[in-house]
Amino acid sequence: QVQLVESGGGVVQSGRSLRLSCVASGFTFSKYGIHWVRQAPGKGLECVAVIWSDGSYKYYAESVTGRFTISRDNSKNTLYLQMNNLRAADTAIYYCARGEGRWLRLDLWGQGTLVTVSS
Amino acid sequence: DIQMTQSPSSLSASVGDRVTVTCRASQGINDFLAWFQHRPGRAPKSLIYASTYLESGVPSRFSGSGSGTDFTLTISNLQPEDFATYYCQQYNVYPYTFGQGTKLEIK
Repeated sequence: QVQLVESGGGVVQSGRSLRLSCVASGFTFSKYGIHWVRQAPGKGLECVAVIWSDGSYKYYAESVTGRFTISRDNSKNTLYLQMNNLRAADTAIYYCARGEGRWLRLDLWGQGTLVTVSS
Repeated sequence: DIQMTQSPSSLSASVGDRVTVTCRASQGINDFLAWFQHRPGRAPKSLIYASTYLESGVPSRFSGSGSGTDFTLTISNLQPEDFATYYCQQYNVYPYTFGQGTKLEIK
């Protein structure tokens, strides 16, 4: 079955760290770029970070630059998001999404994992 | 960043109706426009890419149109499973940005 499954969410205090994982199955993970997208409560969708298929290029939203790091292990079909110095504004459901084609359009999403940052 | 303005923010309709959602980009996006459906508690689902191309497996009652900065999603013959929130997204320039969403509710 072609799918992405996120994990690692939870409740964390402001200023602490958390690492999210996204495990892919049913397709050749190493051929695709992958995005992290989040949705804060009552808000819209925001692209947080993206990594190319071989990990050679990464892009971050301004809101997380310097605090979040995206990485991947193609041997484990797994994507990561290391989140440091978390803020209340980072409270959201975090989704990973596969990027298809040259422009990495988002064609397959996971169900998400909830991160709650308490002050 | 490219701003995506979606309208309406909510919409009430009945099974069998035809509805239209519009999306405007703050600058040209070379038709790199996608539409997603999101039901609560489920993974968002890609419906349309490159403004007009239907994803494999998506029913033909969904269609997309538009170019440049103005785009439209049309759903014909609404079915009960279509009541959800719909988002447009540009994937021409990082950061990729979304519209604020249109919540489609049963009348």
